[in-house]
Amino acid sequence: DAGVIQSPRHEVTEMGQEVTLRCKPISGHNSLFWYRQTMMRGLELLIYFNNNVPIDDSGMPEDRFSAKMPNASFSTLKIQPSEPRDSAVYFCASSPRQGNQPQHFGDGTRLSIL
Amino acid sequence: KQEVTQIPAALSVPEGENLVLNCSFTDSAIYNLQWFRQDPGKGLTSLLLIQSSQREQTSGRLNASLDKSSGRSTLYIAASQPGDSATYLCAVKISNFGNEKLTFGTGTRLTIIP
Repeated sequence: DAGVIQSPRHEVTEMGQEVTLRCKPISGHNSLFWYRQTMMRGLELLIYFNNNVPIDDSGMPEDRFSAKMPNASFSTLKIQPSEPRDSAVYFCASSPRQGNQPQHFGDGTRLSIL
Repeated sequence: KQEVTQIPAALSVPEGENLVLNCSFTDSAIYNLQWFRQDPGKGLTSLLLIQSSQREQTSGRLNASLDKSSGRSTLYIAASQPGDSATYLCAVKISNFGNEKLTFGTGTRLTIIP
């Protein structure tokens, strides 16, 4: 089992640029989650999908953020235009849809916006 | 709104000691509670998941308890080892049907002193 795979591991870009983060969930998992982790706010859920359909995007901070899941094995989180306050570690996690199953996390993308 | 608190934020203990990490939550209507471990530069690893109908779960030297009525959970680590050094986070899943959201605490950074 390869686990949840995120790319890139690190991203440094200038303010105003478009940033795309990628995630490959564990095969067979129906739910996919995008989180953001900062020292100030801890771990926050941005959006999650069930069976490729966005269920709750109330954590997406603003319209500059968008997420897609075109198929069961791939998801993207896009920030356009990026701002310095978007600097954080972004995690993707997946889980089976059944209720009492833990979420499995990727190693995250450390994003720095200059 | 569910709020999850972990105190203390940091803890240092000598190797070999038993220790307890605390987690409290404001809304007792939870579906389950999970304990995760996070190593520096890594994602979260699920340690234990306690269903709302359960009182405790055990895995090796780890034991997690749940008291829904008082809104508390503890993670007990027996015979601590330097390899246990990490940040430990608890998270609760609310009981709304079909809602997969987890609300995380801010974590306790544990250091085991050799």
